[in-house]
Amino acid sequence: DQQVKQNSPSLSVQEGRISILNCDYTNSMFDYFLWYKKYPAEGPTFLISISSIKDKNEDGRFTVFLNKSAKHLSLHIVPSQPGDSAVYFCAASARYSGYSTLTFGKGTMLLVSP
Amino acid sequence: KAGVTQTPRYLIKTRGQQVTLSCSPISGHRSVSWYQQTPGQGLQFLFEYFSETQRNKGNFPGRFSGRQFSNSRSEMNVSTLELGDSALYLCASSLGSGSRDEQFFGPGTRLTVL
Repeated sequence: DQQVKQNSPSLSVQEGRISILNCDYTNSMFDYFLWYKKYPAEGPTFLISISSIKDKNEDGRFTVFLNKSAKHLSLHIVPSQPGDSAVYFCAASARYSGYSTLTFGKGTMLLVSP
Repeated sequence: KAGVTQTPRYLIKTRGQQVTLSCSPISGHRSVSWYQQTPGQGLQFLFEYFSETQRNKGNFPGRFSGRQFSNSRSEMNVSTLELGDSALYLCASSLGSGSRDEQFFGPGTRLTVL
């Protein structure tokens, strides 16, 4: 039973355009959400997070939106750059596990072409 | 500041054998979590150790076990290996304070079971 779902295995975008990666969750206990980026042969690296008390968080070219009623979040990358090509994982955590347990989606591979 | 290190980076074993993987967290981090990444299931949480005690556990069989030492280094062990255990095993360290500390991932150990 997948509690965090990323329904698009891959996404192709042209350099300079917007990349939108989507994520849905089912567990209403999740109250903290994160995006990680992973290059081949490396571990995931933290990108941006959002608490359930917010609906938007920005960090430079990266913005995460949270729609609690729809149990949906999205990551927007504007403008997209070739170096953004990687696998992006959506993750969620909850107070009851001390926020130290992350539940991940299966990832979306983003390819940004020049 | 040195990052999370994992040894070995690659490992080949045969069915029925056992294996031990090691993780050294970032200095000062007391929480170590382990994840299994497979193409079909994405990243799945195995367990988390904090101050030498298992604090959280994922939904994996008892063949998967771990421990943490007083210096916060952690090992995970898989006994009676199965073909399906072939995966990338990632460990992540954090302060472990329970207040949404960022988790830092190591590069992973690639285990192949023949």
